[in-house]
Amino acid sequence: SSELTQDPAMSVALGQTVRITCQGDTLRTHFASWYQQKPGQAPVPVIFAKNTRPSGIPDRFSGSTSGNTASLTISGAQAEDEADYYCNSRDSSGNYRVFGGGTKLTVL
Amino acid sequence: QVQLQESGPGLLKPSETLSLTCTVSGGSLSYYYWSWIRQPPGKGLEWIGYIYYSGGTKYTPSFKSRVSISIDTSKNQISLNLTSVTAADTARYYCVRGEPHDIWGHGTMVTVSS
Repeated sequence: SSELTQDPAMSVALGQTVRITCQGDTLRTHFASWYQQKPGQAPVPVIFAKNTRPSGIPDRFSGSTSGNTASLTISGAQAEDEADYYCNSRDSSGNYRVFGGGTKLTVL
Repeated sequence: QVQLQESGPGLLKPSETLSLTCTVSGGSLSYYYWSWIRQPPGKGLEWIGYIYYSGGTKYTPSFKSRVSISIDTSKNQISLNLTSVTAADTARYYCVRGEPHDIWGHGTMVTVSS
């Protein structure tokens, strides 16, 4: 079982806000990064560390952490945001990286 | 623009050794971590391990006895070796730059089948 837990699937109405969460004790001491993956494509980073957006990522994507939960918020979801989203952080020992199981986001 | 290109055999038999190469173009290997991450068909991402440009490595414990990652700065390449493969190792394998992972290759599909 993964050290990071995500809801397998979520949906959001077009233009509405959705928060995708990632839970794990390691998040109390290590930041999460978030990756978006569309079918047939390699993952793309959307949030690094605390709340840094890589170049080219729209500002509707934001990240936050509270306790053992990291969140990726999409404010005003667009059709092109429909994808799988994975969180990633260090394991509890800090020695290697782990991914959450992924959340499949559907934009209605 | 930095690009990563994975290459290697697409089909292996059980018990064989998987050997993949990642060739980096448009940039240097220096001062970065280089990871291998895989994704079985229809499943999530699994982090295998990384190597720092100076040669230090870390591996996920579940792979530790079978995996090695190496680096050749003269060729701008990172390599992955995974021994004693089984059908469970069937996956797309990605080469990835950085901690966190800022640039990804397109990945290469590896199938293990007798």
